[in-house]
Amino acid sequence: QSVLTQPPSASGAPGQRVTISCSGSSSNIGSNTVNWYQQFPGTAPKLLIYRNNQRPSGVPDRFSGSKSGTSASLAISGLQSEDEADYYCAPWDDSLNGWVFGGGTKLTVL
Amino acid sequence: EVHLVESGGGLIQPGGSLRLSCAASGFSFSSYSLNWVRQAPGRGLEWISYISSNSKTRYYADSVKGRFTISRDNARDSVYLQMNSLRADDTAVYYCARSESQLEIDYWGQGTLVTVSS
Repeated sequence: QSVLTQPPSASGAPGQRVTISCSGSSSNIGSNTVNWYQQFPGTAPKLLIYRNNQRPSGVPDRFSGSKSGTSASLAISGLQSEDEADYYCAPWDDSLNGWVFGGGTKLTVL
Repeated sequence: EVHLVESGGGLIQPGGSLRLSCAASGFSFSSYSLNWVRQAPGRGLEWISYISSNSKTRYYADSVKGRFTISRDNARDSVYLQMNSLRADDTAVYYCARSESQLEIDYWGQGTLVTVSS
């Protein structure tokens, strides 16, 4: 059981906007920046959003991140079929002295 | 371009030992922290170990503390994970991952599968 809470699944039709939440505590999200990862089956995770709301080079601006208090969220606008993947949030945890990952959210494009 | 290539995975009996290696290229290896993150079949990501750029700081998840040891060789641009007393629940794909200290994990290797079974 993860110290971070994400919904196990999310879905939306092409073109719609979807939001994935990540709830933590003062020792992780509350005191550190949040990163988001995208993972396709059988492949390594890829950094999607870092330091709460920054996009690495090459990540479309359809992906955005935000953080407030001990919660964070990932928003995907203009949903496309190729966005179907698993998404994980991950901040550093000062109490555990390590990275903590949310349980992951499987996004389905209807 | 950043590359991280893991090796050393395989089938091992419970109680056995295995040493994973990760060879890095495309960046200034000695300037970055490295991590090992694993993913059991059909499950989510689990961070298991961190080592700072100069090896002075090492952290472990409770699930592996006392059994696994992380190390690095900055002269060889490599990081290692020595895994002892392996158990069935250690079965997973093990990823080597670079991090900007404790800010973000930004690059991942392709992973190496470790199967613990008799």
